[in-house]
Amino acid sequence: GQSLEQPSEVTAVEGAIVQINCTYQTSGFYGLSWYQQHDGGAPTFLSYNALDGLEETGRFSSFLSRSDSYGYLLLQELQMKDSASYFCAVRDGNNRLAFGKGNQVVVIP
Amino acid sequence: GAGVSQSPSNKVTEKGKDVELRCDPISGHTALYWYRQSLGQGLEFLIYFQGNSAPDKSGLPSDRFSAERTGGSVSTLTIQRTQQEDSAVYLCASSQDSNYGYTFGSGTRLTVV
Repeated sequence: GQSLEQPSEVTAVEGAIVQINCTYQTSGFYGLSWYQQHDGGAPTFLSYNALDGLEETGRFSSFLSRSDSYGYLLLQELQMKDSASYFCAVRDGNNRLAFGKGNQVVVIP
Repeated sequence: GAGVSQSPSNKVTEKGKDVELRCDPISGHTALYWYRQSLGQGLEFLIYFQGNSAPDKSGLPSDRFSAERTGGSVSTLTIQRTQQEDSAVYLCASSQDSNYGYTFGSGTRLTVV
């Protein structure tokens, strides 16, 4: 089976840095992805890590450690529009994408 | 089309009725997923289609749920004899290559009264 753990909510001010952690347990592993979902909207793809290390895409970076079954999403220079839920998702050996419960980020002025 | 299209966007139905939800994936995307999301919750995997292979139905919660994908494109998710616990947003996603992520539709909000 699969399970993904994410903390539930974090509040931060504009310009700050937020790290969202994800630990996973899965049978077979083909990568860790991150998705952003605004209230009432569809999840949108942010990043994908198949190998260990840090992937940087603009203000967002994602990290993976396969030996620790752990990854994180780093949001830098927070903006109000970054207020959303962030989900980690693991692609297992059967090519299913399993999502964590998500972490709500609230950005305040 | 430019994105994944789902219809209807909202559906209110009476308990016990059958409903059909439709998903039009991005043209050329071979992989198609259905997920269910209850209020404030994560995404629950329902079913996965990949090309012409047999679908992975392991996430369907009961035999009242079924899905098909015709011609490797449009997919319909059918829920028979709906129950109140079926109320949720049903999301469809498609992908050409898993490494580049999945594109989600805006979902169908199903309310069973």
